[in-house]
Formats: sequence, structure tokens, C-alpha cells
Amino acid sequence: IAGITQAPTSQILAAGRRMTLRCTQDMRHNAMYWYRQDLGLGLRLIHYSNTAGTTGKGEVPDGYSVSRANTDDFPLTLASAVPSQTSVYFCASSDRLAGDNEQFFGPGTRLTVL
Amino acid sequence: GQNIDQPTEMTATEGAIVQINCTYQTSGFNGLFWYQQHAGEAPTFLSYNVLDGLEEKGRFSSFLSRSKGYSYLLLKELQMKDSASYLCAVRDSNYQLIWGAGTKLIIKP
Repeated sequence: IAGITQAPTSQILAAGRRMTLRCTQDMRHNAMYWYRQDLGLGLRLIHYSNTAGTTGKGEVPDGYSVSRANTDDFPLTLASAVPSQTSVYFCASSDRLAGDNEQFFGPGTRLTVL
Repeated sequence: GQNIDQPTEMTATEGAIVQINCTYQTSGFNGLFWYQQHAGEAPTFLSYNVLDGLEEKGRFSSFLSRSKGYSYLLLKELQMKDSASYLCAVRDSNYQLIWGAGTKLIIKP
């Protein structure tokens, strides 16, 4: 059982390029999330999906888009990368029907935009 | 606005006890979480409080006072492997998690 996987592990990207970060979970969780983590700041929610076929904007959605075509996959796309998008990106999932709705995190993608 | 405050860094000695505080101001409250994050790794779940009081899990305990907007994580019998960042997060009225910046805990022998 893998839990949540993310790809790539790390990436260096030229500004202006398009990039898709992949996230897959095998826990059949209904909810999935994308966060970015920057030094000195808490995790900040970019986009989320409460169930397959629906998505919502988080705290910092600008410059990012997501899709949720099925339960397992939740890719995050940067249409035209900028240096301020340099960060560590974490995907997470949870069972919204569970009492505590604990979020399980993937290993992260370290992205550098030059 | 929404705000989660916790100390940036704390230092403690192996075998001792440490308390990490978290205060919060959020739009609604639907539970408070503590996560542990080792350097370069993903956060992992430690505890969840939704009612006032103390929840104990082995060497770790978490306390909540909703009226004071306050929680703490208590770590007993500290081990070197407890060196990590500890993240406090509150689930708001939209059922989204609002995260503190984390407390880096340094354990010295």
C-alpha cells in the first residue's frame, strides 16, 4: 500500500514554462488537497477537492489550476511558472466522513523556478 | 483574519518534558490538530482535539481550551528522534485547515 505518491520528487524549471505536479492516492479518500510550504510560513492551501468532479480555491490559488477526473488523481498545473512559485508542494488526502478527517500527506515535490 | 501563533523554536534536553503552545483566532472552530514534520519529510498526524481537555497518546498529550483559543502539545521522556517541527492547525468553519508556521524543537543530549 503506497498511500499517497507525488511526482516528480524535485524539479528545476525555467520561468514561463508549464509544469504539472502529479498526485495519486490509493486510500479511496474523497477529499484531496494541494499545499505549498515556504520557510517561516505555515502550509498554505492552494486548491482542494471534496469529491471527484469538484474542485475549490484555497488561500493562494493564483497561477495554479487543478482537476479531479477520478478519486485517485489530483494533478496541480502551473500554467506559466514564476520564481515566486519556488516552494515545496505537498499533496494530501482525507476521508471527510471520518470523525477527525485526518489529512495524510505525500512526500512532497521540491520545485525551483529560475 | 485568521491567525495561528506558536513559538518559532524551542530547545529541550533528552529525557525531559517540553510543552509547545499554540494560540488561534479563526473563523469558526471544528477541531485542532497537531502534526510532526521531520526535516525534508511530510507532516504526519499526532493528535486531534475537538472538545476541551487533555488527550493522551503514549509520550504525547494534547490539551485544548476553546474559550481561550489555546492548545498545547506535551512531549514526555524526550528522545533524540523527537527533534522535528511541530505544526498546529485549526479546522475552520469551511472545514479547511489553517496552519501555524510550526515550532522547531531541538533536543540536546
